[in-house]
Amino acid sequence: DAGVTQTPRHEVAEKGQTIILKCEPVSGHNDLFWYRQTKIQGLELLSYFRSKSLMEDGGAFKDRFKAEMLNSSFSTLKIQPTEPKDSAVYLCASSPGLSYEQYFGPGTRLTVL
Amino acid sequence: QQQVRQSSQSLTVWEGETAILNCSYENSAFDYFPWYQQFPGEGPALLIAIRSVSDKKEDGRFTIFFNKREKNLSLHIKDSQPGDSATYFCAAGNNNNAPRFGAGTKLSVKP
Repeated sequence: DAGVTQTPRHEVAEKGQTIILKCEPVSGHNDLFWYRQTKIQGLELLSYFRSKSLMEDGGAFKDRFKAEMLNSSFSTLKIQPTEPKDSAVYLCASSPGLSYEQYFGPGTRLTVL
Repeated sequence: QQQVRQSSQSLTVWEGETAILNCSYENSAFDYFPWYQQFPGEGPALLIAIRSVSDKKEDGRFTIFFNKREKNLSLHIKDSQPGDSATYFCAAGNNNNAPRFGAGTKLSVKP
């Protein structure tokens, strides 16, 4: 069975650019999550979808971060415009439901210059 | 604010010792507490989880001790091995909200 796929694995952007990160969840999973990982904060929730509907939107990230789920097998995270403080690893995870195991992708490492 | 706190950023133990990683949470509505293990370059992977109806969960060398009244829990890794060297994340969630994670504890096991 394929796990969670994330592309690209690495992204370098100039300040002010728009970048789009992609995620394919485990087939059949209803829930999809985007997290940002930094050494200081750990994993911070960006967005949570259930059956393609947005259920939670990380309050601090609303202005420049937009996650979408166009179909049950594909999600994107757009950051517009990027800032150097956005440099982090962005993780996508999927799950059969809340209070069940989350399956994480390998992450996309974003560097904003 | 941080809803889940891990008391140590890093921890070093010798091979064969028991490593103890601590975690606390704020929201008493949380009822599911997984621990994830992460190796460099990989995403976190579920190690062991406990639900709030229990006070202890054991799986091989890994045990979670849970104190609902104090809103804290700990992960004990018995007979630590160098291969256990990784970052460990405590998380908390329920049926209404996505799980929240702590900042992680980087465990180093010295041979």
